Amino acid sequence: DAMVIQNPRYQVTQFGKPVTLSCSQTLNHNVMYWYQQKSSQAPKLLFHYYDKDFNNEADTPDNFQSRRPNTSFCFLDIRSPGLGDAAMYLCATSDPWGASSYEQYFGPGTRLTVT
Amino acid sequence: AQSVAQPEDQVNVAEGNPLTVKCTYSVSGNPYLFWYVQYPNRGLQFLLKYITGDNLVKGSYGFEAEFNKSQTSFHLKKPSALVSDSALYFCAVRGPNTGGFKTIFGAGTRLFVKA
Repeated sequence: DAMVIQNPRYQVTQFGKPVTLSCSQTLNHNVMYWYQQKSSQAPKLLFHYYDKDFNNEADTPDNFQSRRPNTSFCFLDIRSPGLGDAAMYLCATSDPWGASSYEQYFGPGTRLTVT
Repeated sequence: AQSVAQPEDQVNVAEGNPLTVKCTYSVSGNPYLFWYVQYPNRGLQFLLKYITGDNLVKGSYGFEAEFNKSQTSFHLKKPSALVSDSALYFCAVRGPNTGGFKTIFGAGTRLFVKA
């Protein structure tokens, strides 16, 4: 049973055309993360939410925004995608207070292509 | 600065032989250490973690890892490799000063198991 779901799995967008990636979870976890991963490199944290509290990484470009309307859903908005934004985008969750309180649960990722 | 190092880009091993994927860390305070595995075009999957207690931790799919505080290492091991273990492996660390719920990932080690 999928616990962290990302849609779509593959997204093609044009240079400069806004795009939104979505993530949903059935785990009821407080914390949700967005990572960017390029070419099998280490995932790079863009931002995370603890409940509705948004935490942006200092080096995340302004071009990347996020929304979390409720516990289950989180969105990544790329306002004006550039060729350098082509990557795999990973959503993850964690539950700071549960039995598995330290590890993260990842979705399958959305591979973004910018043409 | 908090960091994780995986000194090998790639590890090659024959099926049935033991495997080791190396990881060293630099975190002030007591670290929380993790191993994740990533198969092609998939998200990361949690394998095992060290939080406290026994230095030898066992995880999924027959993997284990040993926490060595004096050497600041957390090497991943498996007594007998399978072809299906071929994947990208990430060591990760959280600590008191890594920033809230933030996890720092190593650069990854690609494991090839040859039949």
